[in-house]
Amino acid sequence: AQRVTQPEKLLSVFKGAPVELKCNYSYSGSPELFWYVQYSRQRLQLLLRHISRESIKGFTADLNKGETSFHLKKPFAQEEDSAMYYCALRGGNMLTFGGGTRLMVKP
Amino acid sequence: DVKVTQSSRYLVKRTGEKVFLECVQDMDHENMFWYRQDPGLGLRLIYFSYDVKMKEKGDIPEGYSVSREKKERFSLILESASTNQTSMYLCASSLMASGPWVNEQFFGPGTRLTVL
Repeated sequence: AQRVTQPEKLLSVFKGAPVELKCNYSYSGSPELFWYVQYSRQRLQLLLRHISRESIKGFTADLNKGETSFHLKKPFAQEEDSAMYYCALRGGNMLTFGGGTRLMVKP
Repeated sequence: DVKVTQSSRYLVKRTGEKVFLECVQDMDHENMFWYRQDPGLGLRLIYFSYDVKMKEKGDIPEGYSVSREKKERFSLILESASTNQTSMYLCASSLMASGPWVNEQFFGPGTRLTVL
């Protein structure tokens, strides 16, 4: 069975510090992974997907098949990055989501 | 711009009541989904529909049923609400994948259901 694990429920950093939100997965096939974000009082929305290999709002994520990880990184956190972040793994037409990490960026 | 709407933002029901949550999308998406969102558990898929009258069970279908009579509308039904169904319910929609990669899911604002 496929599974997504986000080991940190809460991550608190100061503005300007680097941030890394961890995501580990288990999947027998070729994985397709995503990061979704939910800002306060907003809808859940797609942040980035591994196939795009792009940086969104300064965030990047690299798929590491050897370590079965898809960590989300940003070199300099901003206060507006404070949100709930979910890692998700595709299975057929459906997604399996991790438990989520709340990122708090302090001024 | 994709719009997914849900019938209620907040709902309070009593144990044993039948509850209907409605979701409508206006972008002609084939796929529609119902999730529940709980702290620490993330989003868990309840049901998924890929076409009118077609449905598949997700990870936690027990105690729920769904209805998709029209392409734009996907209803979640709690036949007999229980307190452990108190949660935030999110609806989402997406286009059917036309290639090897799945399409982005667009989410509604959520319905916070409290069962007393």
